[in-house]
Amino acid sequence: KQEVTQIPAALSVPEGENLVLNCSFTDSAIYNLQWFRQDPGKGLTSLLLIQSSQREQTSGRLNASLDKSSGRSTLYIAASQPGDSATYLCAVRNTGKLIFGQGTTLQVKP
Amino acid sequence: GAVVSQHPSRVICKSGTSVKIECRSLDFQATTMFWYRQFPKQSLMLMATSNEGSKATYEQGVEKDKFLINHASLTLSTLTVTSAHPEDSSFYICSATGTAAYEQYFGPGTRLTVT
Repeated sequence: KQEVTQIPAALSVPEGENLVLNCSFTDSAIYNLQWFRQDPGKGLTSLLLIQSSQREQTSGRLNASLDKSSGRSTLYIAASQPGDSATYLCAVRNTGKLIFGQGTTLQVKP
Repeated sequence: GAVVSQHPSRVICKSGTSVKIECRSLDFQATTMFWYRQFPKQSLMLMATSNEGSKATYEQGVEKDKFLINHASLTLSTLTVTSAHPEDSSFYICSATGTAAYEQYFGPGTRLTVT
């Protein structure tokens, strides 16, 4: 059974810092991995999707990497801003389903 | 493109009543739709998967007679919570995939409160 773990559960940083969020999964036979952002009481916004054959994806200040063999992904946020404050969810797809981690709640202080 | 809407965004109902939540794909045909629930400060848990015109496939531990799912068209799926109780209060999120099934698009969620 696929299990997805995100560390840390919560993170507070001053504005301008670069930071890394971690995601690990137990079954490496994934189809793809997706990072989402969720603001309080809101739905999900897709940030980056990495296919199983890819190593990384970049969008603006965000960079996501994937090491399928070790069951790990990282989301790198450069030059963090208060507007980046949200919960970040990692999800892996296999057997047609998206399995989510518990999320990392990020607070960026001005 | 790839927009998924949900209605209502918030609903409050009395214990014992039923409530229906709609999920629509606005600009694509959703061959598969998924329903998730999310408790406060927890992650999304998949409840069921539905394909248009077929019966939904429920995850282990989800009561199919309590959470009725209908996927009658390629743009609409509904989740009906029957005889709702306070413990059903949660955030319900739907998502959909189109012909390019590798990416799911998520709705904005529905906050259900059962009093």
